[in-house]
Amino acid sequence: GAGVSQTPSNKVTEKGKYVELRCDPISGHTALYWYRQSLGQGPEFLIYFQGTGAADDSGLPNDRFFAVRPEGSVSTLKIQRTERGDSAVYLCASSLISGSLETQYFGPGTRLLVL
Amino acid sequence: AQSVTQPDIHITVSEGASLELRCNYSYGATPYLFWYVQSPGQGLQLLLKYFSGDTLVQGIKGFEAEFKRSQSSFNLRKPSVHWSDAAEYFCAVGAGGDNTDKLIFGTGTRLQVFP
Repeated sequence: GAGVSQTPSNKVTEKGKYVELRCDPISGHTALYWYRQSLGQGPEFLIYFQGTGAADDSGLPNDRFFAVRPEGSVSTLKIQRTERGDSAVYLCASSLISGSLETQYFGPGTRLLVL
Repeated sequence: AQSVTQPDIHITVSEGASLELRCNYSYGATPYLFWYVQSPGQGLQLLLKYFSGDTLVQGIKGFEAEFKRSQSSFNLRKPSVHWSDAAEYFCAVGAGGDNTDKLIFGTGTRLQVFP
């Protein structure tokens, strides 16, 4: 079946602009995760959803970052007033249910460049 | 706080040679440990995971890893490397004991394979 998909694959924006990054999880997966991977680093946790609710948003760096999952499937990561330091690959993952025992399946990522 | 250290940033091996990638973790309780591989343009793919039981874990693509509690290590091994194994490898720990399902990743080891 289809894996996790993310759109767009690449996004170039100017400092101060607003961006939205979309994640389509594997069908039937109830848990969804967002990570950010900066150049030369490992993925860094941002937020995860169990169903429609954010179960843990402790990784969001500041209030410019916000994520939603209104129907428990597709999720959107929103970044306001982008800064050059936001440039990174944003990864989405999903798992069948929540729990550290569950395998997280990752999408290919959205590469964000803030000029 | 949980953390993962991958001491080797870059490793080069000849095709057919054996491989060991090092991973050390810091976690108070019994950790959930993972190895992921990231090929250029590809999403992170799970190689193997350890939760409990047998400390030698078999994964996909001929990889295995051994959990050593006394050394806080979870090193990845492969007896004979193929050119297609060239990629970035990430070790991660799951912090499920803290009621969160986030993964904490190391900074990765880039594997280069010479023919």
